[in-house]
Amino acid sequence: DVKVTQSSRYLVKRTGEKVFLECVQDMDHENMFWYRQDPGLGLRLIYFSYDVKMKEKGDIPEGYSVSREKKERFSLILESASTNQTSMYLCASSPGGLSGEQYFGPGTRLTVT
Amino acid sequence: DAKTTQPPSMDCAEGRAANLPCNHSTISGNEYVYWYRQIHSQGPQYIIHGLKNNETNEMASLIITEDRKSSTLILPHATLRDTAVYYCIVRPHLTTGANNLFFGTGTRLTVIP
Repeated sequence: DVKVTQSSRYLVKRTGEKVFLECVQDMDHENMFWYRQDPGLGLRLIYFSYDVKMKEKGDIPEGYSVSREKKERFSLILESASTNQTSMYLCASSPGGLSGEQYFGPGTRLTVT
Repeated sequence: DAKTTQPPSMDCAEGRAANLPCNHSTISGNEYVYWYRQIHSQGPQYIIHGLKNNETNEMASLIITEDRKSSTLILPHATLRDTAVYYCIVRPHLTTGANNLFFGTGTRLTVIP
């Protein structure tokens, strides 16, 4: 079974703090993704990566950055957290070729106060 | 613009087959049909995908009409743990674009004891 883990299930941060969300997958997948999920807006893609040290912007990259130093790990960074970044953050991975068959982690519910 | 149409909610008795419909009348020749589900407070879970032939795996069966304008996801023996929101998504199997998985509003399936 593919396993995608995220560092925290719940996180509370203050406005202006730097926030790191970590994601690890154990299936040697090339591709990894970060989404956020908000009521009424569905899943929106923030960034994705198709190889180590490679990254591509998704639909809503503003205010976020990512890092992929190792194949199994993909980090999402909020440089200066703001209240409108309060959301559920979901990490996913998939085999090569940006397949629609993606495997998701349990999510991190981030609250910025 | 929505590519798929699903009923907002359905009920199913425990132990019976759950048949979840999806209309995708504008599907193009290179687009696959994917199904995901999301149990409350968890990340989405990939279920199955197909192009034009019917598909079956350990979780479900996918029946795609001959004209490919609609499909049905079948959970053969629904259990209480199948209560979730089910999403039908159409997209090319492989894509280089940032427009990745568009989840829409899905069908909320409630399995009743």
